[in-house]
Amino acid sequence: DTEVTQTPKHLVMGMTNKKSLKCEQHMGHRAMYWYKQKAKKPPELMFVYSYEKLSINESVPSRFSPECPNSSLLNLHLHALQPEDSALYLCASSQDPGGRYEQYFGPGTRLTVT
Amino acid sequence: ILNVEQSPQSLHVQEGDSTNFTCSFPSSNFYALHWYRWETAKSPEALFVMTLNGDEKKKGRISATLNTKEGYSYLYIKGSQPEDSATYLCAPNTGNQFYFGTGTSLTVIP
Repeated sequence: DTEVTQTPKHLVMGMTNKKSLKCEQHMGHRAMYWYKQKAKKPPELMFVYSYEKLSINESVPSRFSPECPNSSLLNLHLHALQPEDSALYLCASSQDPGGRYEQYFGPGTRLTVT
Repeated sequence: ILNVEQSPQSLHVQEGDSTNFTCSFPSSNFYALHWYRWETAKSPEALFVMTLNGDEKKKGRISATLNTKEGYSYLYIKGSQPEDSATYLCAPNTGNQFYFGTGTSLTVIP
């Protein structure tokens, strides 16, 4: 199974809502990533989890809160978002965080903040 | 933040044509270079991971080369097919972080 799944596919939320994005992989990968992608821009790295520990936080606002409950699961908790946070949120995993292994991407969650 | 440039931004070619794109990146702190293909409404899919200067990789009609000393990589597609239509992204890695380029959007006209 070389699939990374993400739920939900689409999410519309108000600025006062709290929601969560979920990402799952069963390939035994020890690195998991969250990216944000705006239209016509490249994916921007947000967070990296290495062996279930947060190893990189690319100066992401605290209204985004990642969580890695176990080696297969990665969540992104959202609270008090702004309309400019509307984007495609991609999850990826790789065998290890060193960069020598390809990343496997999920299909993304299309988030709209109203 | 790494400055990653890809050219051209977009490309339209006829079916059967061969084509190539460029990815330029700073040569310092280089660890690995990834190429991904991203078709509309699908997930980005890894094509190649390259680490050594002079590396050449091939997958079917697609191949890539890497020059770490001057900081560039070329992606070649031989005999383009409509199913090759996608955005091709390169992503240099510095050892723990990926920096994606803006991509080259390829459209292959039947």
